[in-house]
Amino acid sequence: QKEVEQNSGPLSVPEGAIASLNCTYSDRGSQSFFWYRQYSGKSPELIMFIYSNGDKEDGRFTAQLNKASQYVSLLIRDSQPSDSATYLCAVRMGSARQLTFGSGTQLTVLP
Amino acid sequence: SQTIHQWPATLVQPVGSPLSLECTVEGTSNPNLYWYRQAAGRGLQLLFYSIGIDQISSEVPQNLSASRPQDRQFILSSKKLLLSDSGFYLCAWSPTSGGSTDTQYFGPGTRLTVL
Repeated sequence: QKEVEQNSGPLSVPEGAIASLNCTYSDRGSQSFFWYRQYSGKSPELIMFIYSNGDKEDGRFTAQLNKASQYVSLLIRDSQPSDSATYLCAVRMGSARQLTFGSGTQLTVLP
Repeated sequence: SQTIHQWPATLVQPVGSPLSLECTVEGTSNPNLYWYRQAAGRGLQLLFYSIGIDQISSEVPQNLSASRPQDRQFILSSKKLLLSDSGFYLCAWSPTSGGSTDTQYFGPGTRLTVL
């Protein structure tokens, strides 16, 4: 069964620190990788996507992809209390039309 | 710009009653459409996805069904709700042209409680 795995957390970091969220996936043929943020009681919102090996930066967020090791990570620099949420990793595996989601990592940024 | 709507926002229904949840997308044509369910404290479970009118794939066999009567309208239904149907129902869309056709954008969701 094709899977996407995330540590459920909770992960706590102090305000201003770097939060590091990790995700591994089982299908080596995976093509596209996404990070979503979900506040409690709300729907997921897209943070960023990455297709190629390496780093992709967008403001305080950096996605890192390593296809050889089958993991993708999200770094949040200068973490703020407003970053406290559950972060979902999603992967398009092989020729699938749809995304497979991990169960999410709950992040708490402490003031 | 594109907008996705879902209604109702919240719903409390008795066991055995029918269900109809609606999702519409504005500002795009021929989107791919998806229905997900998220149980409390759990990940997203894909229920149905559609690549066009009357083209719907079911991912999980259950008492739910989906229909797409118009290009930008997606409906989730049930004839008889079960307690296990409670959850947060999310509709999503992805473009079929342009740069990132994999990217899914979610609606605000419907929180369903079956009593």
